[in-house]
Amino acid sequence: DVKVTQSSRYLVKRTGEKVFLECVQDMDHENMFWYRQDPGLGLRLIYFSYDVKMKEKGDIPEGYSVSREKKERFSLILESASTNQTSMYLCASTGGNEQFFGPGTRLTVL
Amino acid sequence: AQKVTQAQTEISVVEKEDVTLDCVYETRDTTYYLFWYKQPPSGELVFLIRRNSFDEQNEISGRYSWNFQKSTSSFNFTITASQVVDSAVYFCALSEFPQGGSEKLVFGKGTKLTVNP
Repeated sequence: DVKVTQSSRYLVKRTGEKVFLECVQDMDHENMFWYRQDPGLGLRLIYFSYDVKMKEKGDIPEGYSVSREKKERFSLILESASTNQTSMYLCASTGGNEQFFGPGTRLTVL
Repeated sequence: AQKVTQAQTEISVVEKEDVTLDCVYETRDTTYYLFWYKQPPSGELVFLIRRNSFDEQNEISGRYSWNFQKSTSSFNFTITASQVVDSAVYFCALSEFPQGGSEKLVFGKGTKLTVNP
């Protein structure tokens, strides 16, 4: 069964902390994506990666960075978390005709 | 730039009613793909369909059907005889292929469907 997993379903962090969100896929997909989802705004692309060590900015990359050291793992990093980064974060990978999504991480920054 | 509009923010129906979710898109590409995803209260996005821009045939899958019309740039989704389990947020999405880059999706803002018993 196809799987995209995310390290946490819920996360609470404090302003200024460095935050790591991990995503792992077991489908040998080359393309991986990070989105954030906010009420009334839909899904917005933060960063994506089409190969190991390759990354491209999405529509809202400010305040985020990513790391792709291995094909199966794509990490989203908040260097210094801020309250406006409180959101649902969704990871996805692409294979064939479908983009597979993980269960999401609901991050709260206090 | 690519854009997907889902004008209906929320829809509420009674079980067994038919309901249509609208999706209008904008693109300059001649080759593109359109998608629908379902996001139930559990939060995980579930893939429903992907449609190639060259294939305007309507698609039916059980109680779900999709109407793709290039002339009006629309890709509408109909649920026939709705059920409570259909309650979810539904997203329409459009693929784009940035020059030299990989496919990525542009999502609409979603339509929240509530099916009442």
